[in-house]
Amino acid sequence: QVQLQESGPGLVKPSETLSLTCTVSGGSVSSGPYYWSWIRQPPGKGLEYIGYIFHIGSTNYNPSLKSRVTISVDTTKNQFSLKLSSVTAADTAVYYCATYNRVNNAFDIWGRGTMVTVSS
Amino acid sequence: QSVLTQPPSASGTPGQRVTISCSGSSSNIGSNYVSWYQQFPGTAPKLLIYRDDQRPSGVPDRFSGSKSGTSAFMAISGLRSEDEADYYCAVWDDSLSGRVFGGGTKVTAL
Repeated sequence: QVQLQESGPGLVKPSETLSLTCTVSGGSVSSGPYYWSWIRQPPGKGLEYIGYIFHIGSTNYNPSLKSRVTISVDTTKNQFSLKLSSVTAADTAVYYCATYNRVNNAFDIWGRGTMVTVSS
Repeated sequence: QSVLTQPPSASGTPGQRVTISCSGSSSNIGSNYVSWYQQFPGTAPKLLIYRDDQRPSGVPDRFSGSKSGTSAFMAISGLRSEDEADYYCAVWDDSLSGRVFGGGTKVTAL
């Protein structure tokens, strides 16, 4: 069974780049029916889709974030990563990595999430 | 403001049936599969319903999903106190070319 674990800095300064990594265990980022995804949740608010990457490198990003987001895969480390540039306080949120299963058409496996605060 | 509209809250007494709606359009719910997620405070969301009305193994059969036109519904039959949580719908939107979540509905057992 695939398991996911987010890691990265919990505090990022305004205008800098937020960088998070999701380590995959129990499966390979190079295969399977999954789109490797990022989703976030600001404090007290709902879920927001950020984007995902398929192992062959194709990506899909939320149009509202597209100009600032990059999602990539590192097959040697069995990880995928999120970079969000030019952050502001509005990017403060719990960031989740998740698998979008193309067979189920749903986000079926989630990491526990990591809180990122944007503040000077 | 999400393209998917959910009521902010829903409630019922234990044992009652509670239904949550997720209203969208022809570019999302009307043409793509809907999934539903359950989230308890401080924890990650959990998949509850996929492909409109399918339950993953381990999800109790008191949870059910349905769809009609451009709206989707998730029902809890026989509400229990442990079902108190936030519930979100999600779907692909053809116009946005991306996945979208509803704003979420907080379910309370009175």
